[in-house]
Amino acid sequence: DQQVKQNSPSLSVQEGRISILNCDYTNSMFDYFLWYKKYPAEGPTFLISISSIKDKNEDGRFTVFLNKSAKHLSLHIVPSQPGDSAVYFCAAKRGANNLFFGTGTRLTVIP
Amino acid sequence: EPEVTQTPSHQVTQMGQEVILRCVPISNHLYFYWYRQILGQKVEFLVSFYNNEISEKSEIFDDQFSVERPDGSNFTLKIRSTKLEDSAMYFCASKLAENNEQFFGPGTRLTVL
Repeated sequence: DQQVKQNSPSLSVQEGRISILNCDYTNSMFDYFLWYKKYPAEGPTFLISISSIKDKNEDGRFTVFLNKSAKHLSLHIVPSQPGDSAVYFCAAKRGANNLFFGTGTRLTVIP
Repeated sequence: EPEVTQTPSHQVTQMGQEVILRCVPISNHLYFYWYRQILGQKVEFLVSFYNNEISEKSEIFDDQFSVERPDGSNFTLKIRSTKLEDSAMYFCASKLAENNEQFFGPGTRLTVL
């Protein structure tokens, strides 16, 4: 059951540059998408979300883009900072239902 | 800032034993969830709980699993007879309302020997 996919298991970026994390989904009924950040030995921490009625949501250094026709979303972090190094999970849901998570992308920001 | 808490942080048990994982969701939240993450794999939904009953459960959540909200603050996950493959990180989450994001606890690492 791979309804949410993150095809890049890892990404390395220089400090100050842009980090782009990608996510694809298969279920067209999903209406809400979220990005979570996870450090080792901690639970996922909510980062940013987007409703399916929007195509962009911005919060400080973080922007999420949604392309519904392509069933694709991406998270942009700019400028990237060493403290951003973590595993990033894309998640999706329909209504009040549970979250479907991707497998995660490990981001390493190199100082 | 209010947060979801979970105890214990690490639970080691023998196969066949019962375990209870405890969670204290954020106090005014109404929706509660359990997820698990087997090492190296994705976070998987187990069960959601709203209005004192299970609202949804996954295929993983079989008869060996149960959840309870015994009082106004705790939310527990019980595994009746643990199997080796139950070894995972178990995350509790809660949210205030239907369209809000879920807040996760730090997880309980369950190791079944």
